Amino acid sequence: GAVVSQHPSRVICKSGTSVKIECRSLDFQATTMFWYRQFPKQSLMLMATSNEGSKATYEQGVEKDKFLINHASLTLSTLTVTSAHPEDSSFYICSARGPGRTYEQYFGPGTRLTVT
Amino acid sequence: AQSVSQHNHHVILSEAASLELGCNYSYGGTVNLFWYVQYPGQHLQLLLKYFSGDPLVKGIKGFEAEFIKSKFSFNLRKPSVQWSDTAEYFCAVNAEGTTDSWGKLQFGAGTQVVVTP
Repeated sequence: GAVVSQHPSRVICKSGTSVKIECRSLDFQATTMFWYRQFPKQSLMLMATSNEGSKATYEQGVEKDKFLINHASLTLSTLTVTSAHPEDSSFYICSARGPGRTYEQYFGPGTRLTVT
Repeated sequence: AQSVSQHNHHVILSEAASLELGCNYSYGGTVNLFWYVQYPGQHLQLLLKYFSGDPLVKGIKGFEAEFIKSKFSFNLRKPSVQWSDTAEYFCAVNAEGTTDSWGKLQFGAGTQVVVTP
């Protein structure tokens, strides 16, 4: 149980275009999802907290107009990287908070974004 | 803001050796503690967690961790490692009563563990 999927697993796009990444909780409802960015050989950097039905809460330094987050249902959150630039190339990981009163997070497999 | 420190960035050891990875955090209130593992090419998986109760928690694959409140520590241990334990290990902390109330986790920098045959 508690499986989180991400789509796509890998995407290459041209500079200036937008890319949407989906995060789904497959077998549970997740009122809260999180988006992280992971640089090579580094830890996860939390970008934003996504709550179903409300606006996402962004961490300091993360541009909310650039990284649009939509948590439209209890099983789906999307991250759209708008007007992507090469410096946005990274590994993006989502997680979903487990059901019930748990602080445990279940992680997706990540999406490798390359902006050319 | 609270922080999470992992003391070792890179550990190399032989099979059957014992492993201990340090994790310290800075928050003085109630915490929920986690160790996650990321095997090469795979996503993060939960090794073990501590919410309350017995400070010595056992996780999957023979791992255990001990919460020492007075030391703000949550060190991970395994008595005898295997080659398949080669992975990156992350300590994570959720600080109750803060902006972490939605379940936000603060991650340590990670420790790359390499087990040689």
